[in-house]
Amino acid sequence: NAGVTQTPKFQVLKTGQSMTLQCAQDMNHNSMYWYRQDPGMGLRLIYYSASEGTTDKGEVPNGYNVSRLNKREFSLRLESAAPSQTSVYFCASREIGGSQETQYFGPGTRLLVL
Amino acid sequence: QQQVKQSPQSLIVQKGGISIINCAYENTAFDYFPWYQQFPGKGPALLIAIRPDVSEKKEGRFTISFNKSAKQFSLHIMDSQPGDSATYFCAASKGNTGKLIFGQGTTLQVKP
Repeated sequence: NAGVTQTPKFQVLKTGQSMTLQCAQDMNHNSMYWYRQDPGMGLRLIYYSASEGTTDKGEVPNGYNVSRLNKREFSLRLESAAPSQTSVYFCASREIGGSQETQYFGPGTRLLVL
Repeated sequence: QQQVKQSPQSLIVQKGGISIINCAYENTAFDYFPWYQQFPGKGPALLIAIRPDVSEKKEGRFTISFNKSAKQFSLHIMDSQPGDSATYFCAASKGNTGKLIFGQGTTLQVKP
């Protein structure tokens, strides 16, 4: 099991450029999430998907779009990158077992917008 | 509006000591409170979690204490080790969406 994988690992963009962050999980989880991590602010939820074909906004969705392509893949798109979107982006998938929930995080994508 | 507030921002503890990190929440609808551990350059990983029907949960050296009336919960790391040096995040969620609200994080350094 690879768990949650993310590509690319690192990306530099110029203001106004677009890009798609890819995420895939091989654990057969229904729910998937995109977070951004900024110093001193913890992780903030951008979008989540409860199942294939469904998506919903999180705390900070402005400037982002998502696609739940199938059960495995959940992509995050920046249509017109801004310096404020410089961050580390994490994808996660959720496992539910009894009263316990576990979100498994990918290794992250470090994005720098100049 | 920060729904989950975490303190301290950073913490230095001697090897063998007790590390204590505190979190306070505002939304009484929260019903799941996990702690995540993150090492540099890695994604967070679940450490331990609690639901509000119990006041304490212990797993090895890690204990969550939960005070529902005060809307506070804390992580205690007993016999802290240098390998525990990491950033710790508390979080909260409600319902079955799994949408986590994270605290700001605490960077723990355990000195040998």
